[in-house]
Amino acid sequence: AQTVTQSQPEMSVQEAETVTLSCTYDTSENNYYLFWYKQPPSRQMILVIRQEAYKQQNATENRFSVNFQKAAKSFSLKISDSQLGDTAMYFCAFMKSLRSEKLVFGKGTKLTVNP
Amino acid sequence: GAVVSQHPSRVICKSGTSVKIECRSLDFQATTMFWYRQFPKQSLMLMATSNEGSKATYEQGVEKDKFLINHASLTLSTLTVTSAHPEDSSFYICSARRTSGGAGTGELFFGEGSRLTVL
Repeated sequence: AQTVTQSQPEMSVQEAETVTLSCTYDTSENNYYLFWYKQPPSRQMILVIRQEAYKQQNATENRFSVNFQKAAKSFSLKISDSQLGDTAMYFCAFMKSLRSEKLVFGKGTKLTVNP
Repeated sequence: GAVVSQHPSRVICKSGTSVKIECRSLDFQATTMFWYRQFPKQSLMLMATSNEGSKATYEQGVEKDKFLINHASLTLSTLTVTSAHPEDSSFYICSARRTSGGAGTGELFFGEGSRLTVL
């Protein structure tokens, strides 16, 4: 079974600075999908960024980028130029295949952006 | 973007009663929807996969007779917590995948969640 580990229960960062959230996972699959989801205080989960395991290039979405290290099974999220609106719970998630569609979530990291 | 709506957002009920939570995809069709349970400061745990027109698939350890799931149309799935007890109090979240369009991306769209409190 796949597992996702987020070792940082809470983190904080000053506005405009950069922060990196860690995520490691365990799987025997070779092709899979990794996601970072954001859950703000309003509670609705929002997709932040997605990475296909077969792609070597790290995914980037504006201020959000990932460092995907397949051999190390690591998938960290970097948030640049942090904004107050980035304050939220961030969940790393694993999907075995698009057919399965089942997401396995980590326990989350609570990020607080301070003014 | 795709919108998934849950109703009610909050519900309080007495022990022993049943509660129904609705999950609707407002602007797309969803053959498959997922129901999760989230405890305070914890991750989302998948409870079951809801399939339109067929029986739901439950994860190990989830009581299918207690958590009834019905996916009657391509835009609506319901979760009914039967004979609710205080330990069923939790945050329930649904998600849905587009039947077409974004189907190849793996992206799931989440509802706002429903907080159930059983007294």
